[in-house]
Amino acid sequence: EVQLVETGGGLVQPGKSLKLTCATSGFTFSNAWMHWVRQSPEKQLEWVAQIKAKSNNYATYYAESVKGRFTISRDDSKSSVYLQMNSLKEEDTAIYYCTWDIGTTYFDYWGQGVMVTVSS
Amino acid sequence: DIQMTQSPASLSASLGETVTIECLASEDIYDILAWYQQKPGKSPQLLIYDASSLHTGVPSRFSGSGSGTQYSLKINSLQPEDFASYYCQNGLSAPRTFGAGTKLELK
Repeated sequence: EVQLVETGGGLVQPGKSLKLTCATSGFTFSNAWMHWVRQSPEKQLEWVAQIKAKSNNYATYYAESVKGRFTISRDDSKSSVYLQMNSLKEEDTAIYYCTWDIGTTYFDYWGQGVMVTVSS
Repeated sequence: DIQMTQSPASLSASLGETVTIECLASEDIYDILAWYQQKPGKSPQLLIYDASSLHTGVPSRFSGSGSGTQYSLKINSLQPEDFASYYCQNGLSAPRTFGAGTKLELK
């Protein structure tokens, strides 16, 4: 069974940092292209970042709204993907989902999500 | 970025009814479109991909259609478990963008 479990969310002040972790199981993580997608309090979904597999040189991509502030990374030995979020803004407040696309251009599997609240 | 415009934003329907949700892309996306269902407190789940292909395990009362810039999701004979929110997603080009969602409520 495919499982993706996000942790690391919480309440943080503007300008501070937070690191999310997504632990996975049930599939060959080392070959997987992983993403973070977030959902605002207004329920709008927004793709945030992607990291490809080792065979793709771990290429990374970011939404313009987070470029330069967020960093996606992975540890294949732990079947985990991370999202380091720096210089957080109130508009980064959202539920953050870890997702896996099985080689399509869609998000085939999702974690349960983790809440990040940026507020003073 | 490709903009995805969904309509209606909300919809009230009764059990057994048939409903249709629309999604308009700002440019031709060549059927590279997905639909997701999201229930309260849960993550989105893939329903349909490539505009009309049902994801594994999705009931046949769900169907997708369309081409070019206009797409639709149809749900026949609404069941209690179908009352949820639905989102379309552009899969043609990065960044992958989503519609604002349609909330389907029980009348």
